[in-house]
Amino acid sequence: NAGVTQTPKFQVLKTGQSMTLQCAQDMNHNSMYWYRQDPGMGLRLIYYSASEGTTDKGEVPNGYNVSRLNKREFSLRLESAAPSQTSVYFCASSESWGANTEAFFGQGTRLTVV
Amino acid sequence: GENVEQHPSTLSVQEGDSAVIKCTYSDSASNYFPWYKQELGKRPQLIIDIRSNVGEKKDQRIAVTLNKTAKHFSLHITETQPEDSAVYFCAASLSGNTGKLIFGQGTTLQVKP
Repeated sequence: NAGVTQTPKFQVLKTGQSMTLQCAQDMNHNSMYWYRQDPGMGLRLIYYSASEGTTDKGEVPNGYNVSRLNKREFSLRLESAAPSQTSVYFCASSESWGANTEAFFGQGTRLTVV
Repeated sequence: GENVEQHPSTLSVQEGDSAVIKCTYSDSASNYFPWYKQELGKRPQLIIDIRSNVGEKKDQRIAVTLNKTAKHFSLHITETQPEDSAVYFCAASLSGNTGKLIFGQGTTLQVKP
């Protein structure tokens, strides 16, 4: 059981470049999330998908788009990267079908925008 | 918007002492309060959680208490060990059972041998 798998683990982008962070879970969870982690600010929700076929904005959605490709996969896209998007990105998933449950996190993607 | 305040931001204790981290939340509809531990360079992992219908929960050396009236919840670690050194995050669910969490800013716990 791999749990939640993210790729890539590290990435350096130039300002204005685009990229997609991939996330897949093998726990048959309904809900998936993208968070960013910055020093002293905890984890902030970018986007989430409560179930397959639905997505919605979190606290800090500007500059990002997401796709819930199927029940397993949830990708995060940066269309035109900015230095302010330098961060560690975590994908997570949870069962959350009628009740809030434990969120399982991927190993993170460290993104640097120069 | 909704928020979670976590204190202290850093905490240093001697091995064997207790550590307490406190959080305050703003969303009255929050009903789920997990605590995550994150070791350096690793992913956050759940260590304990509590639901709004329970006032206290314990698992070996760790315990969590919840005061819904005051919107406070706390993590208590007893008999601390060097391997407890990490960053700890509290979180509160946002309204609706979608699993959305709002996190505190984190507490860096250092346990000195």
